[in-house]
Amino acid sequence: KNEVEQSPQNLTAQEGEFITINCSYSVGISALHWLQQHPGGGIVSLFMLSSGKKKHGRLIATINIQEKHSSLHITASHPRDSAVYICADGGSQGNLIFGKGTKLSVKP
Amino acid sequence: EAQVTQNPRYLITVTGKKLTVTCSQNMNHEYMSWYRQDPGLGLRQIYYSMNVEVTDKGDVPEGYKVSRKEKRNFPLILESPSPNQTSLYFCASSLLVLAGGVTGELFFGEGSRLTVL
Repeated sequence: KNEVEQSPQNLTAQEGEFITINCSYSVGISALHWLQQHPGGGIVSLFMLSSGKKKHGRLIATINIQEKHSSLHITASHPRDSAVYICADGGSQGNLIFGKGTKLSVKP
Repeated sequence: EAQVTQNPRYLITVTGKKLTVTCSQNMNHEYMSWYRQDPGLGLRQIYYSMNVEVTDKGDVPEGYKVSRKEKRNFPLILESPSPNQTSLYFCASSLLVLAGGVTGELFFGEGSRLTVL
């Protein structure tokens, strides 16, 4: 059974710090999704990647297929980045598997 | 505006009273799916659909039904709700870019908070 593990579970950072959130999966995947959920809010897609690296503003996502590992980096973190970040394995037939999320708090 | 719309956003009901949570998307996406989110358990998939008339069970399908008669709609039906179905529910859709798996960007509805007494 495919499992998706995220670390750390909780993360507190000072504004301006570089942040890394890790995601490991156990079975080969079609795509790896990174999602963001603000407190009391909905869920938005940050990245979908199947190889290499993607960048959007201060956010960077990388994936290593051989090691079955993905990372989400936030450069120059800001309090508005405080949210729960969730990675998800895109599955092989539509059966998404989610990590339990990383709760990030960025202090001013 | 591209969006996924869920209704109702909030609902309090009683055990056994059938209810339907609607989900509609305006992006012509093939893939639609339902999830529940519970503290400490994260997001779990209930059902998904790869196209019209094609539905499959996710990780936690017990107590739920779905149908996909039209591409844009994917309602979630609770025939006889129980208190353990109290949860926050999300619907999502995606364009299937490649065969096998969810390989397109996911678009989520705003969530439906359901309480079953």
